[in-house]
Amino acid sequence: NAGVTQTPKFQVLKTGQSMTLQCAQDMNHNSMYWYRQDPGMGLRLIYYSASEGTTDKGEVPNGYNVSRLNKREFSLRLESAAPSQTSVYFCASSEEGLAGVVTDTQYFGPGTRLTVL
Amino acid sequence: RKEVEQDPGPFNVPEGATVAFNCTYSNSASQSFFWYRQDCRKEPKLLMSVYSSGNEDGRFTAQLNRASQYISLLIRDSKLSDSATYLCVVNLVTTDSWGKLQFGAGTQVVVTP
Repeated sequence: NAGVTQTPKFQVLKTGQSMTLQCAQDMNHNSMYWYRQDPGMGLRLIYYSASEGTTDKGEVPNGYNVSRLNKREFSLRLESAAPSQTSVYFCASSEEGLAGVVTDTQYFGPGTRLTVL
Repeated sequence: RKEVEQDPGPFNVPEGATVAFNCTYSNSASQSFFWYRQDCRKEPKLLMSVYSSGNEDGRFTAQLNRASQYISLLIRDSKLSDSATYLCVVNLVTTDSWGKLQFGAGTQVVVTP
């Protein structure tokens, strides 16, 4: 199993450009997440998807959109990139436990390093 | 104020020594606690959960102090491979915070030969 995969690994954008970060998991997890990690700060949740067909905002959703394409795939889109979106982006997934309660262990992809000039 | 606070370090530790560090959390209703490990330029990975009574996993010992709202991680007999950033993670577990983990910024540990 590959676990959680992300593409691309690195990306440089100019201000105003758009792009989509791709994420896929092969663990049959219901829940998927997008985080950003900036120096001196913990991972911050951008968006999450509790299950296929649902998405919700996290702590820092402004400037981003997401699509839960199917159970495996959860993409993050920057419509008009800004220098403040320079960051490392991690996708994660977690399985659903008993009675629909999401378990706490999250499995992360290798990250996408994005620079916006 | 940050929800989860950690001393960023670095903690420079001779190989074979013991190192310990804490993490404080602000929300007393927090219910689940974890330590994740993150190697340089890699993704975070779960190291261990932290249980109320404290727990060990090999050379790693985690403790929870609910009264003072902190968790701790102790590493005994440090190995060079223990060099990493250790992320303190807290889960509030309410209907609004479902599945939303709160991450600290991490404590860097550098084990030297």
